[in-house]
Amino acid sequence: EIVLTQSPGTLSLSPGERATLSCRASQSVNSAYLAWYQQRPGQAPRLLIYATSSRAPGIPDRFSGSGSGTYFTLSISGLEPEDFAVYYCQQYGGSPQYTFGQGTKVEIK
Amino acid sequence: QVLLQQWGAGLLKPSETLSLTCAVSGGSFSGYYWSWIRQSPEKGLEWIGRTSHTGLSTYSPSLRSRVTFSVDTSKNQFSLKLTSLTAADTGVYYCARGEVGLVGDYWGQGTLVTVSS
Repeated sequence: EIVLTQSPGTLSLSPGERATLSCRASQSVNSAYLAWYQQRPGQAPRLLIYATSSRAPGIPDRFSGSGSGTYFTLSISGLEPEDFAVYYCQQYGGSPQYTFGQGTKVEIK
Repeated sequence: QVLLQQWGAGLLKPSETLSLTCAVSGGSFSGYYWSWIRQSPEKGLEWIGRTSHTGLSTYSPSLRSRVTFSVDTSKNQFSLKLTSLTAADTGVYYCARGEVGLVGDYWGQGTLVTVSS
């Protein structure tokens, strides 16, 4: 099973600042199978990015994803009030088997 | 607009069986994978398994012995049964629509399941 480790655990930033979230995999991940989700309190996860860098429909272009192999990042340029939430990366490793990272909380500084 | 609406009992006792159903509307039921995922403070987001419209199902190795999925294509619904519940099965359960590499582009609203005597 591929383990995803996200860092930092918590990111304290002000509105308008840039956020960079990391997701490190214990083994190489197919870039086509790396996704990012946003979860607000009391809500289901919402797909932001799939295939490492493709934005899901309706997702603002301030969200971007990059990476390859074992290291992936999610960037949010110019944090809006609604962006303060928890973010998860997710990978598919075949078998089939999907795993999630433990999450990064982006909080208001 | 794709909508996943889920329901089922939320308070169960140890050793009982959890049953949840997810109804899909606004989109095709075939051509996608339909997953169940759960979330708890202890384990975070955990993929339980997936099924297709044909009923071909694959389960997480850690839950395989206790999980069964079923599909009703006439109603565009899929269901989860999880047996021999313990307190460790407490959490929020979600259904989701996905593809080969993606757990979910659309998610249900979630069902809080509490296992307690």
